[in-house]
Amino acid sequence: EVQLVESGGGLVQPGGSLRLSCTASGFTFSSYWMHWVRQAPGKGLVWVSRINSDGSSTSYADSVKGRFTISRDNAKNTLYLQMNSLRAEDTAVYYCAREGRVFYAFDIWGQGTVVTVSS
Amino acid sequence: EIVLTQSPGTLSLSPGERATLSCRASQSVSSSYVAWYQQKPGQAPRLLIYGASSRATGIPDRFSGSGSGTDFTLTISRLEPEDFAVYYCQQYGSSPPVTFGQGTKLEIK
Repeated sequence: EVQLVESGGGLVQPGGSLRLSCTASGFTFSSYWMHWVRQAPGKGLVWVSRINSDGSSTSYADSVKGRFTISRDNAKNTLYLQMNSLRAEDTAVYYCAREGRVFYAFDIWGQGTVVTVSS
Repeated sequence: EIVLTQSPGTLSLSPGERATLSCRASQSVSSSYVAWYQQKPGQAPRLLIYGASSRATGIPDRFSGSGSGTDFTLTISRLEPEDFAVYYCQQYGSSPPVTFGQGTKLEIK
């Protein structure tokens, strides 16, 4: 079964750090670009970051640039999001998503992991 | 940055009716880069439509997408009870690479 499973969410104080993981199974992880998307409570979807298939190219939303780092370990079939200098406005469900190989859309999503930034 | 504006914000319809959801871009977008997603409470989004009009795997044919340039539409021909959810359009561009609309909530009348 093609699947993405996120982990690493939790409660963190403002200014703190957290690393999210997304473990892939059922497909050749190293062949796909991957993304992180977040959703604040009661709000819409917001794109956060992207990484290409071999990890050599990354992009970030302006709101997280300089604070978040996306990376991947293709040998472990795992995507990461290192989040530093966290703010209250980073509170959200964080989803990892697979970008389709022949179309510009996200065809597989994880179930999400909750990040709460609060003192 | 390309901004996507979805309308209406909330659409109240009954099962069996036809639903038409709109997504307007602040500048022209290639049809290849437009997608639609469905999200139910407590669940991850699900891809419905990519390339503006191609149905994703397993999506019923009552869902269809159309449009070009700055105006795109998701149509659900006959609403089933399981179709009541929030729908998002998305475009894949250059900077930033991805933007979503704010969503349309489809609720039971």
